This record gives sequence, C-alpha cells and structure tokens, in this order.
Amino acid sequence: QSVLTQPPSASGTPGQRVTISCSGSSSNIGSYTVNWYQQLPGTAPKLLIYSNNQRPSGVPDRFSGSKSGTSASLAISGLQSDDEADYYCAAWDDSLNRVVFGGGTKLTVL
Amino acid sequence: EVQLLESGGGLVHPGGSLRLSCAASGFTFSSYAMNWVRQAPGKGLEWVSTISGSGGSTFYADSVKGRFTISRDNSKNTLFLQMSSLRADDTAVYYCAKVHQLDPMAFDIWGQGTMVTVSS
Repeated sequence: QSVLTQPPSASGTPGQRVTISCSGSSSNIGSYTVNWYQQLPGTAPKLLIYSNNQRPSGVPDRFSGSKSGTSASLAISGLQSDDEADYYCAAWDDSLNRVVFGGGTKLTVL
Repeated sequence: EVQLLESGGGLVHPGGSLRLSCAASGFTFSSYAMNWVRQAPGKGLEWVSTISGSGGSTFYADSVKGRFTISRDNSKNTLFLQMSSLRADDTAVYYCAKVHQLDPMAFDIWGQGTMVTVSS
C-alpha cells in the first residue's frame, strides 16, 4: 500500500487530454511540493515535473502539473503514442521522514 | 553530458552481501546529495537511501536500516551502496539518482539501474 494514491491505470486516444491524480495527506502533499516521473517500458524513471508545476528543460509543455490541498494532478495534452508509460508522483513525508512515491499509473494510448 | 552509471548487481544468496557502485560524470558531484531508489520486479519505486554532498549525513528507509550503508568518494565521483544480510524482498533494480539543483526532493538524473537478485 503506497502512501500516495494513484489510479493504477489511465487511457486516452491520440490527441486527447488525460489527467492522472495523486492523493496524499497533510504530512506529504499538503505540506511539500510534488514531483512527477515518467518511466517508459524497460527504462529508468525520468523527471517530468518538479516543484508541483515546473518542467525540466527538454520536457514538452504538453505535460503540466498542479497541486491543491492534499492532492496533485499531472495533465498530458495532445496525447501521443510515445506517452505510453508508467507515471509516478512523489513528495517528502515529514511523518515518515522520507520521500514517498505513489504506486504508479500505467497510461495506455488506445 | 550528465550521466550516472551503476554497476555491481548480480545474484546473491540470502544473507549475503553486495556492493553497488554509481559512477557520475558531467556535473560537480560533490555539490549534490545522491540517492538510491529501487524497484522490485513489476512493482513501483521505493526510496532506499540518501547521502549529502559532503557525505556527512546519511538517511535510510526503515526496510534497509542497519543492513545497508550508503557512502561516496567525491575524489572519484562515485556513489556506493554496501548491502548486507540480503533478503529475498531486496530483489530489485537499484537506481542511483541525483537531486535537482532547485528542488532537493526531486531526482533529475537517474542511472540505467543494476539488478540485484537474492535467491538460493
């Protein structure tokens, strides 16, 4: 059972906009910034969004992040087949004193 | 190019030991805290350990505390994870990851991972 809760799966068709949610508590998302990672099949995770809504250089602006209270969301617009991957949210948790990850959401592009 | 390259994984018997290495290049290694994150087969990501840039501060997940030791050699730009008393549930791909310059809770550079299998 992960500290941060994500839906196990999500799907969309090419060109569509999809969102992935990440639910936490006051000890993590409610007090700290959220980061998102993309893990393509068979590869290492890649930082997609940091500090709730910042994109590292090279990440397309089709990817955006937001946070409200104890929840966060990752939005992907103009969905492409290359976006098919696992997506993880993460945040610091001050009751566990460690970085915690969501269980991951497998995105399928139909 | 900023790069991390892990090595040292393999098959080990329960109760055995293994030392992982992570060679860093393309950035000022000593300026950044470093982490180990693992991923069991078919499972999600789990933070394992963090070490400060100087090496003076270390942090561990409860699941590995007392069994794993993180260290670094800044003169050789290398991060280590000494693992002992290994158990079957330590079986995973182990990634080293660098913290982001602006957000130390974000890991912006990851290695390709090294597989550790604990089995008799």
